[in-house]
Amino acid sequence: GESVGLHLPTLSVQEGDNSIINCAYSNSASDYFIWYKQESGKGPQFIIDIRSNMDKRQGQRVTVLLNKTVKHLSLQIAATQPGDSAVYFCAENGNKLVFGAGTILRVKS
Amino acid sequence: KAGVTQTPRYLIKTRGQQVTLSCSPISGHRSVSWYQQTPGQGLQFLFEYFSETQRNKGNFPGRFSGRQFSNSRSEMNVSTLELGDSALYLCASSLENSGVSTQYFGPGTRLTVL
Repeated sequence: GESVGLHLPTLSVQEGDNSIINCAYSNSASDYFIWYKQESGKGPQFIIDIRSNMDKRQGQRVTVLLNKTVKHLSLQIAATQPGDSAVYFCAENGNKLVFGAGTILRVKS
Repeated sequence: KAGVTQTPRYLIKTRGQQVTLSCSPISGHRSVSWYQQTPGQGLQFLFEYFSETQRNKGNFPGRFSGRQFSNSRSEMNVSTLELGDSALYLCASSLENSGVSTQYFGPGTRLTVL
């Protein structure tokens, strides 16, 4: 039969603007969360991680926020650049890594 | 330090055949995990090996198997290939088991089953 593909949400931002990508996770016992970026034809690339004893962590141009109350994770990218265009995945780790469906980020020049 | 490498990068097989994919982890990493990525199902966990032992397994049929060698290199095998096995197969390595340390991914092997 015909398979239904994942319909990934798309976020389009203007170059130089900030991007916020959201993710809802399912396992309240997960204690480690990671954001990955995947460009076309490549494997996922680690961006930033956060443990459940934190609610915010900053990297270079990226910030991850964790809200355990509502099981929500977000990735903020400052001053978005064309090279940021990719699919972004959140992943939660209980006893194994479980990936979200992903969000497509398109950066308009 | 070299990243995770996977061979081959591309593979075309026919239904009923079997295939073996190889993964070399980052030097010093002892854990290797395998994932299947398809447009329909996204990234799905296959299994994880740590110190030559399978420590976790996803919901895939027994046609999918793997192993890890003493040098931490890993192989996965798919027997009796089906059209639906066409996918990007990703390997990821981590220093310790994936529950406590970050996984780093290879470029993947693109398998096409005709």
